[in-house]
This record gives sequence, structure tokens and C-alpha cells, in this order.
Amino acid sequence: EAGVTQFPSHSVIEKGQTVTLRCDPISGHDNLYWYRRVMGKEIKFLLHFVKESKQDESGMPNNRFLAERTGGTYSTLKVQPAELEDSGVYFCASSQDSRSDLGTEAFFGQGTRLTVV
Amino acid sequence: GENVGLHLPTLSVQEGDNSIINCAYSNSASDYFIWYKQESGKGPQFIIDIRSNMDKRQGQRVTVLLNKTVKHLSLQIAATQPGDSAVYFCAETWIGNQFYFGTGTSLTVIP
Repeated sequence: EAGVTQFPSHSVIEKGQTVTLRCDPISGHDNLYWYRRVMGKEIKFLLHFVKESKQDESGMPNNRFLAERTGGTYSTLKVQPAELEDSGVYFCASSQDSRSDLGTEAFFGQGTRLTVV
Repeated sequence: GENVGLHLPTLSVQEGDNSIINCAYSNSASDYFIWYKQESGKGPQFIIDIRSNMDKRQGQRVTVLLNKTVKHLSLQIAATQPGDSAVYFCAETWIGNQFYFGTGTSLTVIP
């Protein structure tokens, strides 16, 4: 079974440009999460989808970030316009059930390294 | 070798020694915890998890200890190997919420 896949693996763009990151979760996982790790810092939550609905987007830094999950399958994260501080590694994760009483782990993709110059 | 909290983000151990990586979590309501390992160029990989109704759980060469009184989590790696070199993150969550991650500890195994 394929794991969580992310595309592209690396993107270098100029400040002011637009970038779209894509995440394909594990098939059948209703929960999809976006996280970001800025150099040397912790992995920070951005948002959480349950199927196609945004369950929690409290971590989205500002309105330059837009996440979608059409049909509850893959998800995209668009940054428009990109700023220098947006550089970092963007991780996507999926899980089967978000209720922690089931102890369901989140599986992570390999990440997209975004560099804004 | 042992790391305490987030003040020592790097840990170096000799191959064959035991490693202890510590994590102080933030929310007393957290009821599920995971340790992840992240190697260069890869996403975080699940190592071991523990629920709040437990204080210890063992896996293959790894043990997680949970002390809810002081909100402390530790990961013990027995007979550390070069392949264990990576950044280790603890993550906490509670029902219906996302995972919150610590800064991470970089483990270097010296052959």
C-alpha cells in the first residue's frame, strides 16, 4: 500500500510568486493534516481536514495560505504570494481516525522543501 | 547519553550505548503521545506510541515512559546503532485534535 505522497519534493520560487503543494494521503484515511517545519524549529500544525471539510485551520499563518481538499481525497496547499519567511519543509500526514482513544497514528509524507528567494 | 527537555537539542552517544531522549509536553489534557524519527530528507516516521492510561510501553529496542504528574515523556533506545542517528520528535494530542510537536532532538551515534 502506498504511503502519504507529496509533490514536489523541493520547490524554489521567488518572493511574490505562487506555489502549490500537493498531498495524496493513504487511501481510506479521512483525516489529512498539513504541518510546517521552519529551520531548526518545531513542526507546527497548519490545518486539519476531515474528508473534504476543514476541521481546524487555526495554524494557518495568514490569508496567503489556502488549503483545499476536493472530494476528500488529495489536498493542495497554495501560498500566494510567497514571502521569504514561508521557507521551510511542509509535511502532510493522514490518519484513519482522529479520535485518540483509538490510538491512531498519523503517517507522514516525505515533505516538500520550499525555498523562497 | 541523555537529553533533558528542549534545552539540549543535540545528543551524541557511542554505538552500543543506550540513549535517552526527553520531552516535556505542554497540555495536561493530552492523552495520546507518539515518538517520531526523522531522517534527513524524509518525513517523520512513527516509532512508538503510548496512551495516557499507561506509564510504560516497550517496542523493539525502544521504550517510552510517560510521567503525567510532571508532563514528561522519554524515549529510551537500547544498544544505539548508527542507523538510529536522526532527529526525534515527541508529539502529543487529545481527542479530536491535531498533534503538537516538540522542537526535536538530534541524535548522533558515534561509531
